[in-house]
Amino acid sequence: DVKVTQSSRYLVKRTGEKVFLECVQDMDHENMFWYRQDPGLGLRLIYFSYDVKMKEKGDIPEGYSVSREKKERFSLILESASTNQTSMYLCASTRQEITREQYFGPGTRLTVT
Amino acid sequence: AQRVTQPEKLLSVFKGAPVELKCNYSYSGSPELFWYVQYSRQRLQLLLRHISRESIKGFTADLNKGETSFHLKKPFAQEEDSAMYYCALRFSGTYKYIFGTGTRLKVLA
Repeated sequence: DVKVTQSSRYLVKRTGEKVFLECVQDMDHENMFWYRQDPGLGLRLIYFSYDVKMKEKGDIPEGYSVSREKKERFSLILESASTNQTSMYLCASTRQEITREQYFGPGTRLTVT
Repeated sequence: AQRVTQPEKLLSVFKGAPVELKCNYSYSGSPELFWYVQYSRQRLQLLLRHISRESIKGFTADLNKGETSFHLKKPFAQEEDSAMYYCALRFSGTYKYIFGTGTRLKVLA
């Protein structure tokens, strides 16, 4: 059973703080993704990674960075949190070729005050 | 521009009625399309994908390249089908996906 875990379910941070969101998968997946999920906007891709230390920008990378030092872990970093980054953040992973299905984590609801 | 459109934010149907959730896409390449579902307090999960041509929980979806659509259908809705449904497209040759804005399905007793 594929497991994608995220470090926190709920997080409250202040404007200007540096925020780390962690995602870990246990199925040796090559690809990992960070999305934000907002009502009426659906899921929007922030960044994805197809290998260790490799990353590509998604559709809304501004204000975010990522780190992938190990295959199983993909971190999303908000360098200086702002109120418009209040959202649900979803991590996902997938094998490179075989199924192409994305497996999602439970999400982290981040509130920036 | 590449786009996935789900025109309905909310769809309410009575139990036993047919359901159709619409999805249209705009993509110049060869698309790979998916439907994902999120039940209340659960994580997003795959419902079905067009390449498998499968039926999951009574749902089917046919890729219509002429109309660039991938509508999700079920002949008889159940209350447990109430959830948020997202249509997604994977760009061929890449790992990148785009998702629609989602449709909330409410099945009324």
